[in-house]
Amino acid sequence: AQTVTQSQPEMSVQEAETVTLSCTYDTSENNYYLFWYKQPPSRQMILVIRQEAYKQQNATENRFSVNFQKAAKSFSLKISDSQLGDTAMYFCAFMSYSGGGADGLTFGKGTHLIIQP
Amino acid sequence: GAGVSQSPSNKVTEKGKDVELRCDPISGHTALYWYRQSLGQGLEFLIYFQGNSAPDKSGLPSDRFSAERTGGSVSTLTIQRTQQEDSAVYLCASSLDNRGTEAFFGQGTRLTVV
Repeated sequence: AQTVTQSQPEMSVQEAETVTLSCTYDTSENNYYLFWYKQPPSRQMILVIRQEAYKQQNATENRFSVNFQKAAKSFSLKISDSQLGDTAMYFCAFMSYSGGGADGLTFGKGTHLIIQP
Repeated sequence: GAGVSQSPSNKVTEKGKDVELRCDPISGHTALYWYRQSLGQGLEFLIYFQGNSAPDKSGLPSDRFSAERTGGSVSTLTIQRTQQEDSAVYLCASSLDNRGTEAFFGQGTRLTVV
């Protein structure tokens, strides 16, 4: 079974600063997908960024980028120029490729990110 | 609708009663997932449907839980004889396929068992 670990329960930074959220995972598979999801107080999970394990290039989406280190099984999220609207719970998640979705997403415990004005 | 719709948004029920939670996925999405989110357990995967079929039901917490999907669309999660430990937010998600494409989540149903 896969596990996902987020070691930072809570982080707080000032608006406009850069923040990095850490995530490590454990799997014996070679092909898989990794995700960062954001959950604001509204409860709705929103995809932030997605990475396919066979791609060496790190995914980026505007102010959001990842540092994917496959050998180290690390998948950190960097948020640049942080904004008040970035305040939310952030979940790192893993999906098996071979499972065909049958195992769903395996989530970490989450990091509560607070952006201070 | 444009997104995944779940109903009800909130449900308070008495211990021992049955409840039914509904999920209306995005039209055309073949994959549908149910998750449970609670303070103690975090986010737990419950069950996955590809079309109307659920290949593995072992993620359901107990035999009081059941789920079905009809017409490749709407899904219902039923909890019989609810217990206090069933209190949680139940999230539904759908995706275009089962190949790691983006999963779109509903806003969840907050279930409180009193």
